Amino acid sequence: RKEVEQDPGPFNVPEGATVAFNCTYSNSASQSFFWYRQDCRKEPKLLMSVYSSGNEDGRFTAQLNRASQYISLLIRDSKLSDSATYLCVVNKVTGGGNKLTFGTGTQLKVEL
Amino acid sequence: DVKVTQSSRYLVKRTGEKVFLECVQDMDHENMFWYRQDPGLGLRLIYFSYDVKMKEKGDIPEGYSVSREKKERFSLILESASTNQTSMYLCASSAPRVFRQFFGPGTRLTVL
Repeated sequence: RKEVEQDPGPFNVPEGATVAFNCTYSNSASQSFFWYRQDCRKEPKLLMSVYSSGNEDGRFTAQLNRASQYISLLIRDSKLSDSATYLCVVNKVTGGGNKLTFGTGTQLKVEL
Repeated sequence: DVKVTQSSRYLVKRTGEKVFLECVQDMDHENMFWYRQDPGLGLRLIYFSYDVKMKEKGDIPEGYSVSREKKERFSLILESASTNQTSMYLCASSAPRVFRQFFGPGTRLTVL
């Protein structure tokens, strides 16, 4: 089983739609969770951290369900500029240090 | 803002050549990482370093080595490049005890 699993998509949605991505992680001891965004042929950039109580940043809402070991990202009122690949990221528990494990990403395409 | 730079955006090398990929960060970060990113496989950690002259193997170190002579610089070395090392290489850095990583723009390496 992969440490972090995501549906690769693509999710094709019209502008203005609400879209949600889920991600599951395998290690119940993981403590830190993030969503990164990666534009085509660019480097990943942090979109938002994910906190236990859930958190919101403008049109983006992140949720964490520790019991089921999944993380979600909700994007409301999608914009064309939201088109990107969204990477679910979890801290590595084994081996020490503050390493991260990246999911393979979910591709979002927002269309007119 | 943190800036992570990589020596080349695109690189073409021949099988058997020795290849150096350079990464420099300007935020005095202790932690530096090298990843490769391949379609369907996501980002995979090759090597990382927590301090000058310190290095640790990641998940896929075979065929690679690293060097960290100065805090701001972390080099990835392919001793004898092979075609299966054709990939996007991403360097990242982070502050101590912090999981958030900042990425460089990446080097797309093609080995012929």
